[in-house]
Amino acid sequence: QVKLVQSGAEVKKPGASVKVSCKASGYAFRNYGIVWVRQAPGQGLEWMGWISTDNGDTNEPQRIRDRLTMTTDRSEGTVYMELRSLRSVDTAIYYCGRWNVRAVDYWGQGTLVTVSS
Amino acid sequence: VMTQSPATLSLSPGERATLSCRASQSTGTNLAWYQQKPGQAPRLLIYAASTRATGIPARFSGSGSGTDFTLTISSLQSDDFAVYYCQQYNTWPPALSFGGGTKVEIK
Repeated sequence: QVKLVQSGAEVKKPGASVKVSCKASGYAFRNYGIVWVRQAPGQGLEWMGWISTDNGDTNEPQRIRDRLTMTTDRSEGTVYMELRSLRSVDTAIYYCGRWNVRAVDYWGQGTLVTVSS
Repeated sequence: VMTQSPATLSLSPGERATLSCRASQSTGTNLAWYQQKPGQAPRLLIYAASTRATGIPARFSGSGSGTDFTLTISSLQSDDFAVYYCQQYNTWPPALSFGGGTKVEIK
């Protein structure tokens, strides 16, 4: 069955970087892109970006483009999301999801990233 | 920008729920709906505005196109009380935008 398993919770200081992994299994990895979505405490869902697992192309909102890097390791079936220059407002649960062209049909379990001094 | 209304819907089990989602510009039928319960990841309900995802009960239905969309739950079950999000997307490269959510709570 399709599974997306994310790395564990992180606590970071302001200004630091965090790297979250998302390991996919149960399907042809290169056939589906991966999206990242975050959710601040008590808030709604916010799209962070998309990466092609086939060729590594990415797309992300302008507001976060200079702080976000998404990469893929096709040999491991894993996607990584690195966010730099962390601020307290980046405290959130970060989800990866399989993008099936029309929707996010499978989601990871989420990774809590806490930014605190 | 996606705008959902109402922010909260208070209903009793067995009642019909009607949730709205409005896009600031036409998105065709590039619209999905998700359900999220506390402490869980979102779950896909509807894609392409009106197609139920695998395993989603028939009481969930989606409609609309262009800028106005609706998610209807025909008869609320206890398991349906949750937060619902709409999500619009651009086809290429993929770019997503979520609405602010509608919480369906027990009256």
